[in-house]
Amino acid sequence: TQLLEQSPQFLSIQEGENLTVYCNSSSVFSSLQWYRQEPGEGPVLLVTVVTGGEVKKLKRLTFQFGDARKDSSLHITAAQPGDTGLYLCAGAGGQNFVFGPGTRLSVLP
Amino acid sequence: NAGVTQTPKFRILKIGQSMTLQCAQDMNHNYMYWYRQDPGMGLKLIYYSVGAGITDKGEVPNGYNVSRSTTEDFPLRLELAAPSQTSVYFCASSYLDYNSPLHFGNGTRLTVT
Repeated sequence: TQLLEQSPQFLSIQEGENLTVYCNSSSVFSSLQWYRQEPGEGPVLLVTVVTGGEVKKLKRLTFQFGDARKDSSLHITAAQPGDTGLYLCAGAGGQNFVFGPGTRLSVLP
Repeated sequence: NAGVTQTPKFRILKIGQSMTLQCAQDMNHNYMYWYRQDPGMGLKLIYYSVGAGITDKGEVPNGYNVSRSTTEDFPLRLELAAPSQTSVYFCASSYLDYNSPLHFGNGTRLTVT
């Protein structure tokens, strides 16, 4: 069974701070996706990483896929209150996606 | 386009009752999925479908059934509701294959008492 772990589980920071959240597994995934979920809504895709070592930037968000395609990180620069939400990573394996439990981020003004 | 539409948004069931959660997508996606989300547990796959007429079990299928008679619709059936099925249910769809992004509905919050 493929499992994804995410850390930290909860993170509360002040506006303007930088942060990194992690997504780890002992399994290799063909691709990994990051989603953000706001209360009362479904997750929304932020990025897909496919190649080991790949780095993708989305404005203040930087995503990295580990060389061995077992782990990933999300770095947010100068966090804003609008970044508040649940961040989920999902690994593609077989015919399905495996989701991590998420990191709940709260950015205080 | 509406994307993925789920109904109802909320439902309270008594133990032993049955209900169907509806899911429809208008993006002509061939892959559709049902997940449940429990606090701190992430999303668990219940059932999925790779096309009309084809369904497969996911990680937690017990107590649920699905059908896929059309590309657009993928209803989830609970036959004998149990408190353990209290959760938020999300339907999702994707194009082509599992490397494509998932498009989620806004969920159905189900409480079984």
